[in-house]
Amino acid sequence: GAVVSQHPSWVICKSGTSVKIECRSLDFQATTMFWYRQFPKQSLMLMATSNEGSKATYEQGVEKDKFLINHASLTLSTLTVTSAHPEDSSFYICSASFSAGAEDTQYFGPGTRLTVL
Amino acid sequence: LAKTTQPISMDSYEGQEVNITCSHNNIATNDYITWYQQFPSQGPRFIIQGYKTKVTNEVASLFIPADRKSSTLSLPRVSLSDTAVYYCLVALYNQGGKLIFGQGTELSVKP
Repeated sequence: GAVVSQHPSWVICKSGTSVKIECRSLDFQATTMFWYRQFPKQSLMLMATSNEGSKATYEQGVEKDKFLINHASLTLSTLTVTSAHPEDSSFYICSASFSAGAEDTQYFGPGTRLTVL
Repeated sequence: LAKTTQPISMDSYEGQEVNITCSHNNIATNDYITWYQQFPSQGPRFIIQGYKTKVTNEVASLFIPADRKSSTLSLPRVSLSDTAVYYCLVALYNQGGKLIFGQGTELSVKP
């Protein structure tokens, strides 16, 4: 149980275009979802916290107008990278948990590799 | 925030027990300790989580002393497939269970 999927698994796009990444909890309802970014040979960096039905909370330094997050249902959150540029190329990973509690395990998706040309 | 510190890398051989210790001196009363494993180009995989004392599951054990300022992940009889990065994390109670990733420990298991 506790499976999280992401779509697409990889995407290549031209500079200036927007890209949407989906994160789904397949067998549980996720009140809270998180979005991370990981550059090569580096650790994961938390970008934002998303709660169903409310606006996402972004970490300091993350542009909310560039990285649009929508958590429309208890099983789906989307991250849209708007006007993508080569420096946005990265590995984007989402996680989901049953609730916003420290005792609730976060289950991670497989990640989405974004390459901006 | 409860920052974690763990060794950057460790080497081991197949069949050995591996213990990775992590310090989290600023852990708050209601925070939880959790460990993840990550292979290249994959999302982290949950290993184990605990609050205090000892927790054991089918893949690992987690030892947490009474002061909770450190924790030790124990992997029994590692195999080559256990070569990965292991992250020690503190789930922040006052911030909705948020996880802040440190650098992790790169474990290399040799034949």
